[in-house]
Amino acid sequence: AQKITQTQPGMFVQEKEAVTLDCTYDTSDPSYGLFWYKQPSSGEMIFLIYQGSYDQQNATEGRYSLNFQKARKSANLVISASQLGDSAMYFCAMREASYNTDKLIFGTGTRLQVFP
Amino acid sequence: KAGVTQTPRYLIKTRGQQVTLSCSPISGHRSVSWYQQTPGQGLQFLFEYFSETQRNKGNFPGRFSGRQFSNSRSEMNVSTLELGDSALYLCASSLTGPTEAFFGQGTRLTVV
Repeated sequence: AQKITQTQPGMFVQEKEAVTLDCTYDTSDPSYGLFWYKQPSSGEMIFLIYQGSYDQQNATEGRYSLNFQKARKSANLVISASQLGDSAMYFCAMREASYNTDKLIFGTGTRLQVFP
Repeated sequence: KAGVTQTPRYLIKTRGQQVTLSCSPISGHRSVSWYQQTPGQGLQFLFEYFSETQRNKGNFPGRFSGRQFSNSRSEMNVSTLELGDSALYLCASSLTGPTEAFFGQGTRLTVV
């Protein structure tokens, strides 16, 4: 079965600094997709970035980049120039697709706190 | 364009009652998925609907059911509520499936 592991329950970072949130995954499928979502206290899950298993380049979206290391099965999220508004829960997720299912499976999340 | 809208935002119900939650997806999106989020179990997939058909289902008891209408709006129903059903219920919509799914703000259900 596929699995997502986020080992950092909480992270602190100073404003304007960069921070890396760790994510490792386990799958035997050669084709898969990895996602990062941000969940502020309001509850909404905000899509940040996507990486396909066959993508040659690391995905980037503004201040977010995904450090994809396929051999190590890791997909770490890097946030550059942190802002106070980045304080939230961050979830790594993987698409699990088979003949009878197509869904996202999520890690346990990392709570990021940005301080001035 | 408008995002995913979930109503109501908050609900308090008593054990044994039933509840219906609503999700209006982004215009043009035909896939709607439902997830349950609890502190103990994290985010768990409930089911997905595409063009009015349930396409995928997670490991939840039959008390959890859903449907999708022709305009892609979806409802989720939980019957015979238990205390453990207290959770944030999130709806996600996308064009075709889980890829780049966009979530609503969720409905926070409290069962007392």
